[in-house]
Parts: sequence; structure tokens; C-alpha cells
Amino acid sequence: SYVLTQPPSMSVAPGQPATITCGGDDIGRKSVHWYQQKSGQAPLLVIDYDFHRPSGIPERFSASNSGNAATLTITTVEAGDEADYYCQVWDATSRHWVFGGGTRLSVL
Amino acid sequence: QVHLVESGGRVVQPGRSLRLSCAASGFTFRSHAMQWVRQVAGKGLEWVAVLSSNGGDQFYADPVKGRFRISRDNSKNTLFLDMNSLRIEDTATYRCAKGSASVGVTGFLDAWGQGTLVSVSS
Repeated sequence: SYVLTQPPSMSVAPGQPATITCGGDDIGRKSVHWYQQKSGQAPLLVIDYDFHRPSGIPERFSASNSGNAATLTITTVEAGDEADYYCQVWDATSRHWVFGGGTRLSVL
Repeated sequence: QVHLVESGGRVVQPGRSLRLSCAASGFTFRSHAMQWVRQVAGKGLEWVAVLSSNGGDQFYADPVKGRFRISRDNSKNTLFLDMNSLRIEDTATYRCAKGSASVGVTGFLDAWGQGTLVSVSS
């Protein structure tokens, strides 16, 4: 089955950039969606179809997808960005939705 | 405003069955694929099942295939998850989520419920 690999955690100082990777075999050929989940809350869509930012999501959030890795970038991290971030793809071969293991972003 | 409210979660013994419900409002329920996603406390998101808008396509994660069944009543704006032969490892918070797709099962999840807790324990 298709596997998405994310770093378990990262720490970033406020005002600095954060880049979260999501690795998968030829993931550049798939559409990647990104979700933010703050403590005790339901997930929130922050990026859909590789790089599209839904209404209400700050411009600080951007993303790309190519080759074997998709990336979510927060250009200037704020305290309120502290959360778990998950990537998700549809694997047409197995007909499964797949989530990455999640990356916990801590703001120092 | 989209609203998804899950119910039905409780403590249940291994091997027993349970039905979860997800009441939807604020959008045209019959026009959207829906998913169930579960999360063990302190762990990551795990996809469980997806159902197309008309119920014609449904797919399941390997750990639940053959035991769980996803269904919907478009006349009552409600999504269901019938869980059979429950195992201890099925213990998790179960959330329903609204898909963006009006056809098929692809598309992102643009709204989530708060979840209902299922605890499988003897």
C-alpha cells in the first residue's frame, strides 16, 4: 500500500520559516492535500490540490509538489501555527485514501 | 455554515457491533462524498472509509474491510458507519468529514465533525 512519510516533529522560532515535507513514491503525480490540527480540535484544510490555499487561510501558507516529495511552507511562523500537520493523497491503485503520519510543529 | 455532528460512540466489548451516525447540515449533503477518519488519542489521523455522493462507490481501509460498512441516507442528511466484530485496536475518536467531490470519491475534506469516541474494552 502507498505510504506517506513525514518528519514526526520540528521546532521553529516565531518569525522564521517552517517547511514540512511529505515523502511518497512519485507523489508528484498525485494531488496532495494538507490539514492543520490544533490541540483538541478537528483538522482544518490549509492547502488543497498541491498548492491551492482555501479561503481564509493566511498567505503565509504555501505548498508545492514534485518528484517524490510534497512540501508545506509557512513563511513566517506565528505562535498560533503550533499544531500537527498532515498530508493526504488518494491512491488510485489501491483505492485508498492515505494520510501521512503527521508533523508536530512547535513554536519556540 | 457546514455542521457535522457525530454520535453513537460508547464503550463496547470486543466482538460486538456499533453504529455511528453523522448528522450533516449547512450544505447539499446528497451532492458530496463523505468519509470517516479515526484517531487514537495522541496519535495521527487514519482514514477508515469513503462513500460517494450517490452511494455507488465505497472503499475501506484494510484494517476495517469486511467488518465496517459505510452508508448514507440522503433524505435525512445522515452518514453512518456500521462497525462489526470490533477489536481493541478499533478504539479511537471517529470523525466524519465532508468531501469536496460531487462525483466519485476523490477531492479534499473541507469540513470535519468533532468526533465520537469508541472504546473497545472487555
